[in-house]
Amino acid sequence: NAGVTQTPKFRILKIGQSMTLQCTQDMNHNYMYWYRQDPGMGLKLIYYSVGAGITDKGEVPNGYNVSRSTTEDFPLRLELAAPSQTSVYFCASSYPGRTEAFFGQGTRLTVV
Amino acid sequence: AQRVTQPEKLLSVFKGAPVELKCNYSYSGSPELFWYVQYSRQRLQLLLRHISRESIKGFTADLNKGETSFHLKKPFAQEEDSAMYYCALSGSGGSYIPTFGRGTSLIVHP
Repeated sequence: NAGVTQTPKFRILKIGQSMTLQCTQDMNHNYMYWYRQDPGMGLKLIYYSVGAGITDKGEVPNGYNVSRSTTEDFPLRLELAAPSQTSVYFCASSYPGRTEAFFGQGTRLTVV
Repeated sequence: AQRVTQPEKLLSVFKGAPVELKCNYSYSGSPELFWYVQYSRQRLQLLLRHISRESIKGFTADLNKGETSFHLKKPFAQEEDSAMYYCALSGSGGSYIPTFGRGTSLIVHP
């Protein structure tokens, strides 16, 4: 059972480039989330989804887009990378309700 | 709105010393509180949740609704406890999405 899988693990982008962070889960979870982790700032919610075809903004959505065409996949898109998007990105999933969230291993992104 | 506050960025103790990682929350309803741990080069994983009332790896946490706190405690710290600890809250109704604190880095010295 793979759980939550994120790719890539590391990436360096130049300012203005775009990329997609991939996230897939095999636990049939309805809920999926994207967080960014900045030193001393904890985890900030970027976007979340409560099911296929449904997405909503979190606390820090600017500069990002998401889609949820299947239950398994929840990719995060950066259209015009900026240095402020240098961070570690975590994808997570859970069953509906107040349940445990399962995390991917993270993607360390540097924008230069 | 729901908010989680972890006042300490860093907590440094010696092996065998007691540990208390503080977590305070703000939420108008009945919350579900969690502690997650991230060991070096590993993913975040659930350590414990208040509703289960269990001790995991010697850690316990009690929900104090009066003080709106969910502090994580361990009587005798071990070197392998060194990690990043996050307190998280899930609300009710449409507020299930977990809100995390900024995290506390625990370092246990030999």
